[in-house]
Amino acid sequence: QLLLKESGPGLLEPSETLSLTCSVSGGSIGSSEYYWGWTRQPPGKGLEWIGTVYYSGNTFSNPSLRSRVTISVDTSKNQFSLKLRSVTAADTAVYYCVRQATSGWPFDYWGQGTLVTVSS
Amino acid sequence: QSALTQPASVSGSPGQSVTISCTGTSSDVGTYQFVSWYQQHPGKAPRLMIYEVNRRPSGISNRFSGSKSGSTASLTISGLQTEDEAEYYCCSFAGSNIFYVFGTGTKVTV
Repeated sequence: QLLLKESGPGLLEPSETLSLTCSVSGGSIGSSEYYWGWTRQPPGKGLEWIGTVYYSGNTFSNPSLRSRVTISVDTSKNQFSLKLRSVTAADTAVYYCVRQATSGWPFDYWGQGTLVTVSS
Repeated sequence: QSALTQPASVSGSPGQSVTISCTGTSSDVGTYQFVSWYQQHPGKAPRLMIYEVNRRPSGISNRFSGSKSGSTASLTISGLQTEDEAEYYCCSFAGSNIFYVFGTGTKVTV
């Protein structure tokens, strides 16, 4: 059974950098059959795709966040990470790590999500 | 890139069928077969229900079906059950710059 679990600080001040890690168990992040990504959901609102990374390190991200986002992968730890710079209150959301199949790229496995609040 | 348009809510009685629409543009739904649907219960992570317009992942009931016509995709839930009450989101691939766009979400009430 594949499990994804997000970890990182739950409270940030404006202008800080959000750093989250997704630990993957029950499967290898080094598989060529999958991508690994991040989505988010502000409280009471809809879903937004943030970005995706392949085991090789190739990444692609939402153009609206691209200038502030870095996504990386650590195959030795079976983890991948998200950094979002210069956060504001608008970045307050539940952040989910996800797996994407290379066929059709659906988000087929989701972590439980972690709430990150940006407030002074 | 704007979110795909879904109705805010749909409702039906147990045993009935409901259909949720997801309207995009020629840059996303209208061009690509990579439309997926997600079910989200309150406080829970989304769950993949349909991918590539009409394919069901293993373990998803055949009461859930997907289709597409032009720039509008649809999810149909037949034989409604109380556990189907949830928020549903569509998602489409939108090319190699935008990549993925989600729908606005639809609350299904049974």
